[in-house]
Amino acid sequence: QVQLVQSGAEVKKPGSSVKVSCKASGGTFSSYAISWVRQAPGQGLEWMGGIIPIFGTANYAQKFQGRVTITADESTSTAYMELSSLRSEDTAVYYCARSPLRYFDWSFNWFDPWGQGTLVTVSS
Amino acid sequence: AIWMTQSPSLLSASTGDRVTISCRMSQGISSYLAWYQQKPGKAPELLIYAASTLQSGVPSRFSGSGSGTDFTLTISCLQSEDFATYYCQQYYSFPYTFGQGTKLEIK
Repeated sequence: QVQLVQSGAEVKKPGSSVKVSCKASGGTFSSYAISWVRQAPGQGLEWMGGIIPIFGTANYAQKFQGRVTITADESTSTAYMELSSLRSEDTAVYYCARSPLRYFDWSFNWFDPWGQGTLVTVSS
Repeated sequence: AIWMTQSPSLLSASTGDRVTISCRMSQGISSYLAWYQQKPGKAPELLIYAASTLQSGVPSRFSGSGSGTDFTLTISCLQSEDFATYYCQQYYSFPYTFGQGTKLEIK
């Protein structure tokens, strides 16, 4: 059964960038999509974007367009999310999650499983 | 973007109760809806997908219904481990969106 294991917590300065990794183990990676979802302290869930590793193309939520880059390395079954121009409002737990694909339009289905989450703290 | 209204935001109930959580969409999404459970400090876990299909391993006291714009999650007989926060999520179109969440607390 696949598990998604994320990199550890980060503390960053405003204006800097952070790159979080998500490694799939125990199952297939390439025939699924990987999304990134964040959760600010005490808040709800927010989809940032996702990628289909076999194609390498990503979709992003407009809110994050231009600031987020999602990539994937099929050889290591690892996806990455890089967020730039960090501000205090980006302090959150960042999750990766896997989705089965809808092959008729290459969109994503539900999210399962999820990674354990990575806390990113932005503070001067 | 598709907006979702999830209600109630807070639900107080007792063990053994039957509870329902509602999720309403700003436009029709067929059955492209999932429900998740999240406990404090943990990642969300999938309960139901395709509006009414129970994820493997999820107890049968959880059920989902609806299509189009109105959806419901029902827990038929609350157990102590069910007190958590629940989210609906549409995967009909980008950007994928979540409801605001329903915190289910012990009365």
